[in-house]
Amino acid sequence: GNSVTQMEGPVTLSEEAFLTINCTYTATGYPSLFWYVQYPGEGLQLLLKATKADDKGSNKGFEATYRKETTSFHLEKGSVQVSDSAVYFCALLNTGFQKLVFGTGTRLLVSP
Amino acid sequence: DTAVSQTPKYLVTQMGNDKSIKCEQNLGHDTMYWYKQDSKKFLKIMFSYNNKELIINETVPNRFSPKSPDKAHLNLHINSLELGDSAVYFCASSQAQGGYYEQYFGPGTRLTVT
Repeated sequence: GNSVTQMEGPVTLSEEAFLTINCTYTATGYPSLFWYVQYPGEGLQLLLKATKADDKGSNKGFEATYRKETTSFHLEKGSVQVSDSAVYFCALLNTGFQKLVFGTGTRLLVSP
Repeated sequence: DTAVSQTPKYLVTQMGNDKSIKCEQNLGHDTMYWYKQDSKKFLKIMFSYNNKELIINETVPNRFSPKSPDKAHLNLHINSLELGDSAVYFCASSQAQGGYYEQYFGPGTRLTVT
C-alpha cells in the first residue's frame, strides 16, 4: 500500500540554523509528493510539491527534491526563522487512489 | 476572499448528540474532501466527492454521513457522537481528481465530545 514515513519530532533549532526534515515513501506507480505546513491553531497550507522524479519543489526558502531511487522527499531550508515554527507534513497523492496519504507530521521549534 | 471555509470553528457537544459541520469552497473546484486529524496530529482521509458524487469512502463508521448539495459545498453530519470522535476535521478541495491537483484545506473544525 501507500505510506509516508517522517522523522519524529520535535526538531529544535536556533534561528538561522539549517533545517532538514526527512521523508520517505512507499507507493505503487508514480505519486506526486507534497509538503504541507500547519501553523499553531491553523489549517494546512501547501508549502511545495513535486509531481515527477528529480523535480524540485521550492517556496519561501524551503526546498525538496523528488528522489525516486531513494523514495525520498526531504525538506530543507538554509536558514530557519522563528516564524517557521510549525508542524510539517509530508504527503503523497497516487493518481490511482486519488487521496492524500500523510506522514505523521514533524514539529519544528525555532528559538531566537 | 476565503478559499475553503468551514463552520463552526469549534464544536463542543455531549455524547449521543447529532451534529453537522459545513464546508464551502469558492475556488470553482470539482472535488472536495473530509479529513480527520486525531490528537496525535495524524491526518487521514474520510470521504471524497467529485461533482457531488461520492468517490472515496474510507473505513468510517456509518454514523458519519457526508452530503454534497452542489459542487461548492460538502457537509459532514455525525450521528450519535462518541468520545472517540473528538478530533479536528478538515475540509479540502482540488480542481479535479488525480495526482497533479493539489488540495487546498480549510481552517479546520475542532470537535470535542464530552
